[in-house]
Amino acid sequence: AQSVTQPDIHITVSEGASLELRCNYSYGATPYLFWYVQSPGQGLQLLLKYFSGDTLVQGIKGFEAEFKRSQSSFNLRKPSVHWSDAAEYFCAVVSDSNYQLIWGAGTKLIIKP
Amino acid sequence: NAGVTQTPKFQVLKTGQSMTLQCAQDMNHEYMSWYRQDPGMGLRLIHYSVGAGITDQGEVPNGYNVSRSTTEDFPLRLLSAAPSQTSVYFCASSKDRVGYTFGSGTRLTVV
Repeated sequence: AQSVTQPDIHITVSEGASLELRCNYSYGATPYLFWYVQSPGQGLQLLLKYFSGDTLVQGIKGFEAEFKRSQSSFNLRKPSVHWSDAAEYFCAVVSDSNYQLIWGAGTKLIIKP
Repeated sequence: NAGVTQTPKFQVLKTGQSMTLQCAQDMNHEYMSWYRQDPGMGLRLIHYSVGAGITDQGEVPNGYNVSRSTTEDFPLRLLSAAPSQTSVYFCASSKDRVGYTFGSGTRLTVV
């Protein structure tokens, strides 16, 4: 069965430092991949998505992600984090059986002042 | 456009009670789905629909029923609430099954 793995349950980063959140997926063909962000008590906001083409995808709020087929990864990056980036981040892939989203368990980002 | 509207936002139920979580979208999307979110587990698919009159089970369907009598509405019914159904529930809709719009969620507590 398809799966999405986010190896880090939580990550702590100093404000102004760079960020990389990891996401690995299991899928044979080119997947449809997403990153969502959820602030405490809030809904889900789409940061970016990859369907095909350029493997480096730009999103909102200064985030980007790179699709690496050889590593089955879709890591999220930001060059300089702000305190407002503290949230939980979810990676997801579209299932090839029912075209619904399969989600990783999430990574909670903590920002140190 | 209101997008995807979920009601209620919060609900407390007693074990054994029934209730319906409402989900409505005004974007004429064919595809709708329900997820539950539990700490450390991400979101898991409960039920989904590919159009009016068509529904199917997801990963965790037990204890939940759905129907899709119109394109706009996709209610989720809990027939006999259990503490294990304490969770945050999200409804989503999509035009093309790859771009999803989410509701703001319903936080359900079963005591």
